Amino acid sequence: QGQLEQSGAEVKKPGASVKVSCKASAYTFSNYNLHWVRQAPGQGLEWMGKINPSVGNATYAQRFQGRVTMTRDTSTSTVYMELSSLRSEDTAFYYCAREEIYYVSGSYWVFWGQGTLITVSS
Amino acid sequence: DIQMTQSPSSLSASVGDRVTITCRASQSIPNYLNWYQQKPGKAPRLLIYAASFLQSGVPSRFSGSGSGTDFTLSISNLQLEDFATYYCQQSYGTPLTFGGGTKVEIK
Repeated sequence: QGQLEQSGAEVKKPGASVKVSCKASAYTFSNYNLHWVRQAPGQGLEWMGKINPSVGNATYAQRFQGRVTMTRDTSTSTVYMELSSLRSEDTAFYYCAREEIYYVSGSYWVFWGQGTLITVSS
Repeated sequence: DIQMTQSPSSLSASVGDRVTITCRASQSIPNYLNWYQQKPGKAPRLLIYAASFLQSGVPSRFSGSGSGTDFTLSISNLQLEDFATYYCQQSYGTPLTFGGGTKVEIK
């Protein structure tokens, strides 16, 4: 099975950075990539990127390149997503989700964190 | 980027109805297509993966079909707990992308 526990809601000012954590449990941390997906209030889902916890390399969506950094701490089975230069449009729920693989390259997400609301407001 | 277009964006239905949601990809994605259900304040829940495979624990009234660019999610015998928003998502290429969502409301 698996569980993902995210850090709590935060309020940030425009221009600041935020770091959201996602702690994994009940499975072998290094065996599964973890993705980040965000959702602005009342809007759709948007993929931000993923990290391989085993080696620590990350892949980011182009629109977040230069502003997002995904890292991991294997000692605590935790991944982090840091988003910088925040603007009001970054106000959203941020979710981590564990990748499951099929057909070698296909993927889907069964286990999700509970979501973390980041509010960007002056 | 692969664009995913869902239709309709919303629909009204009654308990017991059969509902169909479509998703079209801007290029062929073989069967790298997943469907999620989301309720307010909750994380999405996987229903269907690889276009037609029912995720464990999901009721059999949910089914998926399609390949290439055109996909369908069907819900037969709609239940109260099925009123939610549904998203398709492709995993063929990065960035991974979602359809805009279909909100299923009570008529």
